[in-house]
Order: sequence, then C-alpha cells, then structure tokens
Amino acid sequence: AQKVTQAQTEISVVEKEDVTLDCVYETRDTTYYLFWYKQPPSGELVFLIRRNSFDEQNEISGRYSWNFQKSTSSFNFTITASQVVDSAVYFCALSVGGAQKLVFGQGTRLTINP
Amino acid sequence: NAGVTQTPKFQVLKTGQSMTLQCAQDMNHEYMSWYRQDPGMGLRLIHYSVGAGITDQGEVPNGYNVSRSTTEDFPLRLLSAAPSQTSVYFCASSYTRGPRGELFFGEGSRLTVL
Repeated sequence: AQKVTQAQTEISVVEKEDVTLDCVYETRDTTYYLFWYKQPPSGELVFLIRRNSFDEQNEISGRYSWNFQKSTSSFNFTITASQVVDSAVYFCALSVGGAQKLVFGQGTRLTINP
Repeated sequence: NAGVTQTPKFQVLKTGQSMTLQCAQDMNHEYMSWYRQDPGMGLRLIHYSVGAGITDQGEVPNGYNVSRSTTEDFPLRLLSAAPSQTSVYFCASSYTRGPRGELFFGEGSRLTVL
C-alpha cells in the first residue's frame, strides 16, 4: 500500500526566513509520481510540482525548491525568503499504477508572520 | 475558462437526507475524481472516473454513489447522509487517466450533516 507522511502539522516562521516542509513516502512500485499542492486560505488546491521516480534532479522555481531523494524516500519542499503570501496548507501526494489515484499526506499548515 | 465548477459551495443536511454534489469541467478532461478533506487526514479519494461510462471506487467509497454519463459532468450522490460525512468535498479532473497528470481542483463544497 502507498502512504505519504508529512510529520510537520504546523510551521510558523517570520517573513524572510527559509522554511522546509518534509515529505516521506512509501511504495513498492518502481514507477511513481510525487506532487506538491498548495491550499491557500481561500480553499482551492493548486498544483505546484510533479516529479517522477526516475528523475532525482532537484528543481528550483523562483523562491521554491524541491529535493527528491529516493534513498530516503523523501520529497522535501523549501521556500526561500518566505513571504506572507506563502501562508497556506501544503500537501505532498503520491501516484502509482495505471489509473491516477493520488494518496495525499496529512498536510502542513505554514504560517508566515510579518 | 471556468475549469472545474462545483455546486453547492455550502450545504447543511439532516441525518438520513440525500443530496447530490455537482461537478462540471470544461477542459475536456478524461479523468475526474472526488476527494474528501478532513482535519489531520489530508484528502482521501472517494470515487474516480477514467471516462464517460466508467467509474471505480477509491479509498472511502461507502455511502457515496457516482455516475459519468458525459465527459463534462461527474456528480457525487450521498444516499443517506450521516454525521461522519461532514467534510469538505473536492472534485478534480486531469487531462490524463495515468498517474502522471496533475489535478485541477474545484473550489470545494462544505457539507455539514446534523
């Protein structure tokens, strides 16, 4: 069975600090995809990034970066120089198999204080 | 471009009542799904569909019914509402039925069962 664990339930930092959100996954499949989604206070979920199991390159997009390590089954998300607009709940998710059945982590509520 | 539209946004039911949550997408996506979001549990898959006329169960299907008569619509029916079904429900679609596709979410429907 697939499982995603986000051990950090809530994180609170002051604006401009760097913050890392942890994600650990479990699967026996060799082909899988990992995702991060953002849920701002307005409630909708927004796709941030996708990684497949064969691509361990780290990714950087502006202030966001993602560190994928198969050896530790982790897909961590770092926000550099955080801003108040980054305040949201962030979900890590895993997808395997023939049909898309995303398994989500519990989510991490990130609060950026001015 | 409306994307994924869910109605209603809010609903209060009494135990035993039935209702239908509507979901429509205008992106010609093959794949559609319903998730429920509960505190501390992330999002859990209820039902999904890989095309018109094809549906399947997710992780938590009991008490819910779906059908997919058209590509655009994927309604979720609560047959006899129970307090345990109090949740926020999200409809999502993807351009691919495979595991690599990112999900486009609706704004959510908050359901309270008394």
